[in-house]
Amino acid sequence: GDSVTQMEGPVTLSEEAFLTINCTYTATGYPSLFWYVQYPGEGLQLLLKATKADDKGSNKGFEATYRKETTSFHLEKGSVQVSDSAVYFCALSEGGGYNKLIFGAGTRLAVHP
Amino acid sequence: SAVISQKPSRDICQRGTSLTIQCQVDSQVTMMFWYRQQPGQSLTLIATANQGSEATYESGFVIDKFPISRPNLTFSTLTVSNMSPEDSSIYLCSVRPPGISGGYTFGSGTRLTVV
Repeated sequence: GDSVTQMEGPVTLSEEAFLTINCTYTATGYPSLFWYVQYPGEGLQLLLKATKADDKGSNKGFEATYRKETTSFHLEKGSVQVSDSAVYFCALSEGGGYNKLIFGAGTRLAVHP
Repeated sequence: SAVISQKPSRDICQRGTSLTIQCQVDSQVTMMFWYRQQPGQSLTLIATANQGSEATYESGFVIDKFPISRPNLTFSTLTVSNMSPEDSSIYLCSVRPPGISGGYTFGSGTRLTVV
């Protein structure tokens, strides 16, 4: 079945460092891909998304490009801030309808001053 | 995007009892999804709820343990029945508003502790 694999955390970075969180997926069709963020004590928020190959999702300085050839959707940010400390989840949804989300295990990011 | 009001936000319950979690959406949506997030873990889908039909449960989840109601297009409840400490988790509802370009929206979650 469909699945999402994320790099294991925690990831610890200094402020202003470059961030990459790897995400690869397995799907039988053409899924939509998402990154969600969960700040401490809060619910899930959509960070960015991409619905087809070569699409780039971006938000709040974060970017991810839908790479069909490598089945990847890596999250990047050029300069992280302490306020980016959170758990990041990569997820996919099969097809364009109202299908369920399948989540990766989540990657905890800790940014220190 | 849709706004979801989920309650209660947290509860501490005795084992053997049941808790009903409510989600109210500010717009009509076809499907609502219920997830469980065990401590330190990712999200696992419990079931998908369509208005006017039986919910569809994922492997490992059964209706007797997690009955779901979906009386209209803006509301759903999930009941956690006959609770044990292993049910201690965050439970979240989710919707995907109409339109392919939309992302899924989540409620703020219900943090359940069973003692």
